[in-house]
Amino acid sequence: DIQMTQSPSTLSASVGDRVTITCRASQTISDWLAWYQQKPGKAPKLLIYKASSLESGVPSRFSGSGSGTEFTLSISSLQPDDFATYYCQQYNSYWTFGQGTKVEIK
Amino acid sequence: EVQLVESGGGLVQPGGSLRLSCAASGFSFSSYWMHWVRQAPGKGLVWVSRINSDGSSTTYADSVMGRFTISRDNAKNTLYLQMNSLRAEDTAVYYCARAGGLYCISTNCYDYFDYWGQGTLVTVSS
Repeated sequence: DIQMTQSPSTLSASVGDRVTITCRASQTISDWLAWYQQKPGKAPKLLIYKASSLESGVPSRFSGSGSGTEFTLSISSLQPDDFATYYCQQYNSYWTFGQGTKVEIK
Repeated sequence: EVQLVESGGGLVQPGGSLRLSCAASGFSFSSYWMHWVRQAPGKGLVWVSRINSDGSSTTYADSVMGRFTISRDNAKNTLYLQMNSLRAEDTAVYYCARAGGLYCISTNCYDYFDYWGQGTLVTVSS
């Protein structure tokens, strides 16, 4: 099974900060990686697919990069609506999520 | 507008059964693979099961294999998850999700989850 490890688990940041979340796969997954945002009590929302493709309607301040085993999600200028938990997911072999990164207000 | 609406959750005793439904609208349901994903209280997301567009192929996580059955009725635009022999560790919010960007090369297919329902809570407790 492919394991996904995100870091950090929690991130404290201020509005306007640039934020980066890292996701590592236990084996190579090419670029079969997605990122999701989840707010409390709500369903996850797709942000990025195929490692770097922005889902339609998602603000351009979100970006993804990486291939193989190491990936990043960046938010160029954190907005109040971005405080949430973010999950990476590999879909190279079945579907596995990272443990999540909570972005909280500093 | 794509909509996925789950129902059927509730409180069930260990060893009991429950059937979840996911009503789809706003897209051609019969053309899409579908998934179930669960999230235990305060925990992360865990994939549960997948079904292809005509229901001929299904896949399960090891933790539910032999106990859960995914199915669909394309005439009713509805996805199902039959859950038997329920355990306390099955307690979670269950989400249905649509498979987006399906890309198949030979026998390998790749898809992510582009739309999610709001979830339905299943609690397994005596």
